[in-house]
Amino acid sequence: SQTIHQWPATLVQPVGSPLSLECTVEGTSNPNLYWYRQAAGRGLQLLFYSVGIGQISSEVPQNLSASRPQDRQFILSSKKLLLSDSGFYLCAWSDGRTANQPQHFGDGTRLSIL
Amino acid sequence: GQQVMQIPQYQHVQEGEDFTTYCNSSTTLSNIQWYKQRPGGHPVFLIQLVKSGEVKKQKRLTFQFGEAKKNSSLHITATQTTDVGTYFCAVNRRDNYGQNFVFGPGTRLSVLP
Repeated sequence: SQTIHQWPATLVQPVGSPLSLECTVEGTSNPNLYWYRQAAGRGLQLLFYSVGIGQISSEVPQNLSASRPQDRQFILSSKKLLLSDSGFYLCAWSDGRTANQPQHFGDGTRLSIL
Repeated sequence: GQQVMQIPQYQHVQEGEDFTTYCNSSTTLSNIQWYKQRPGGHPVFLIQLVKSGEVKKQKRLTFQFGEAKKNSSLHITATQTTDVGTYFCAVNRRDNYGQNFVFGPGTRLSVLP
């Protein structure tokens, strides 16, 4: 069966520090991968999605970036965090072979910027 | 761009009462998905609707897709405390790059015992 792993679960970082969040998927190949951010009590904002290695689509201009160095690995990064980067970051995957497939989310990372 | 709206934003009900959330799109949809997010958790896929006028049931949950495929509803009969959480609708969007999803803002359900 397919599983998605996301870490760390919580993270506290100072303003201006770098960020690296990692997400890996097991049990499937060539998945579509997604990064979302969710502010407290709010909806899901799509940040990046990827349909293959090295293929990243950015949905919202910001100081975050994403990379997909391997088929089942998706990384969210920042060189310098801002206070506004606080939130709940969720990675998700869906079957890339056919359209209209449901998304499966990781447990998320709660990021607090001080 | 495509917009997805959900009402109400919040709903407080007494345990045993019914609950309905509505999802509306500015464009005709190919399909719609529903997710539930428990407090402190991550969204979990509930169901997908594809056909015009489609109705699907999962125990006390009834999902409906509008005839014009621009709106959908989720109805919970006789709510229980385990129904607490935020319910999101999501629509599939394809662009030149691939497919992604637009989520509604969600309806947060509180159930008072």
